Amino acid sequence: EAQVTQNPRYLITVTGKKLTVTCSQNMNHEYMSWYRQDPGLGLRQIYYSMNVEVTDKGDVPEGYKVSRKEKRNFPLILESPSPNQTSLYFCASSRTGGASGANVLTFGAGSRLTVL
Amino acid sequence: AQSVTQLDSQVPVFEEAPVELRCNYSSSVSVYLFWYVQYPNQGLQLLLKYLSGSTLVKGINGFEAEFNKSQTSFHLRKPSVHISDTAEYFCAVSDGGGYSTLTFGKGTMLLVSP
Repeated sequence: EAQVTQNPRYLITVTGKKLTVTCSQNMNHEYMSWYRQDPGLGLRQIYYSMNVEVTDKGDVPEGYKVSRKEKRNFPLILESPSPNQTSLYFCASSRTGGASGANVLTFGAGSRLTVL
Repeated sequence: AQSVTQLDSQVPVFEEAPVELRCNYSSSVSVYLFWYVQYPNQGLQLLLKYLSGSTLVKGINGFEAEFNKSQTSFHLRKPSVHISDTAEYFCAVSDGGGYSTLTFGKGTMLLVSP
């Protein structure tokens, strides 16, 4: 089954304790992206990657890091989490290179993170 | 830069009534437009998309949307809603091309009651 898998789905942590949210897709998609969803703010893009070793900042990158060493994986790293990073996080991927398939994102199920 | 405005944060409606969720966008170039739906405790899934061609686009679950370039709108409609349509709906815009990124609106919560 074609899917984007995120882990963990739920996490409660404390301020300053480094954590990684993993994201993996099995569709050979070039493009991957991380979003955070907050009430009243919709989805805001954190980072995105157009292909292996190519990443760029989205709208709200502060406090986050990413890497893209393999095509299928795009982990989100919070080096020193703070309470304002409490949110629902989504990873998504898509094909690129043409209008017919480009930009149609496949989303993971979400990771709910609470930072105390 | 592109942006999306969803004019209603919440739309309450009775079952079997028609519904319209409004979306306006701004972009300096040609756009691709999307509606995504998020059911409770789930990720987002594509409802429909406009890339080119006919301005009336049909999607899953009986939804449709109409692209209106002069009014820069892409409103979502359904003639008769069901309880199961209760979800949050997101409009999104991309300026096209193989490496464009999507900009999402803030979402509209559709609440269908019996």
